[in-house]
Amino acid sequence: EIVLTQSPGTLSLSPGERATLSCRASQSLRYSYLAWYQQKPGQAPRFLIYGASNRATGIPDRFNGSGSGTDFTLTISRLEPEDFAVYYCQQYDNSHRTFGQGTRVEIK
Amino acid sequence: QVTLKESGPVLVKPTETLTLTCTVSGFSLSDAGMGVGWIRQPPGGALEWLAQIFSRDETSDTTSLKNRLTISKDPSKSQVVLTMTNMDPADTATYYCARMGVSLFGGFDFWGQGILVTVSS
Repeated sequence: EIVLTQSPGTLSLSPGERATLSCRASQSLRYSYLAWYQQKPGQAPRFLIYGASNRATGIPDRFNGSGSGTDFTLTISRLEPEDFAVYYCQQYDNSHRTFGQGTRVEIK
Repeated sequence: QVTLKESGPVLVKPTETLTLTCTVSGFSLSDAGMGVGWIRQPPGGALEWLAQIFSRDETSDTTSLKNRLTISKDPSKSQVVLTMTNMDPADTATYYCARMGVSLFGGFDFWGQGILVTVSS
């Protein structure tokens, strides 16, 4: 099983600041099949990024994914009030999918 | 538009078997390259992938639940069914179904609203 470790656990930032979230895989994702999701309280996750760097339909361009191998990053260039949420990475490089434990982005 | 909706019991007793149904619309379970996965989330916890099934009936499920899971589908009803045996209070969680594709498009792009299942005697 591929274990995904996200850091930091919590990120305290102000609106307008840049957020950098990390996701590290326990083994290399050969195809970089990594997705990112945003989740707000009481809601289902929202699909943000697939294939490490491709934005899903309707996702603003302030969300950017990058990385390959074992190290992946989600960057939110300028935080909007609606971006404060929990973010999860997920690998689908093999048939047994796994999620990271999440990074909470909170208002400072 | 694509929608998914989970249904099933909200309360089960320890040792019972849970059966959840995901009813989909806006796509067909027979469409090539389409699949549906189940994911759960304990209260205040992280997402956990459980199982998935694709159009040609290829299935996978998490090894962490030690053969407690079965996933199946009925394209004529647009339904995917997940059963989990020997339920335990630690299985209390919101259970989601979500659509997925294959290869590059294998992420979960559309999600149901989730169903909170509580395991208690």
